[in-house]
Amino acid sequence: DQQVKQNSPSLSVQEGRISILNCDYTNSMFDYFLWYKKYPAEGPTFLISISSIKDKNEDGRFTVFLNKSAKHLSLHIVPSQPGDSAVYFCAARYNAGNMLTFGGGTRLMVKP
Amino acid sequence: EPEVTQTPSHQVTQMGQEVILRCVPISNHLYFYWYRQILGQKVEFLVSFYNNEISEKSEIFDDQFSVERPDGSNFTLKIRSTKLEDSAMYFCASDRQGPRFLETQYFGPGTRLLVL
Repeated sequence: DQQVKQNSPSLSVQEGRISILNCDYTNSMFDYFLWYKKYPAEGPTFLISISSIKDKNEDGRFTVFLNKSAKHLSLHIVPSQPGDSAVYFCAARYNAGNMLTFGGGTRLMVKP
Repeated sequence: EPEVTQTPSHQVTQMGQEVILRCVPISNHLYFYWYRQILGQKVEFLVSFYNNEISEKSEIFDDQFSVERPDGSNFTLKIRSTKLEDSAMYFCASDRQGPRFLETQYFGPGTRLLVL
């Protein structure tokens, strides 16, 4: 079951530059999308979310873009910092259900 | 800042034994969840719980699993007879109002379960 996919298992970026993490989904019933950051041996930490009625949501250095027609969302981190190095998961939810469906994660490494 | 807590952080058990994983959700949250992540795999939904009953469960959540809110603060996941393939990181999560309000689920730090 690959309803939510993150095709890049890893991404390496220089400090200060933009990090772009991508996520694709197949289920058109999804109407709420979230990004989580996860450090080793810790639980996922919520970063930012977006409802399907929007195409952009911004919170400080983090911006999430949603392209419903392409069933694609992306997380932009500007500027990237070494402390951003972690695994990033996108997750999706539909209004009728409780469960979050997660992508496989992208490991971001921000080099000083 | 309020957070979800989980105990124990690590649990090692023998195959066939029962384990109980404990969680204390954020105090004003009403919906509670268990997820798991087998090493190298995706985070997978197990079950959601509201108003003292299961509201949704996945195929993984079979008769070997049960959940309970034994008091006003704890939320537990019981695995009756553990199998090797139950070895995973188990995450508890909670949110305030559930799916209809596009709520964000907040996760605990996880319990690493190892079945030998």
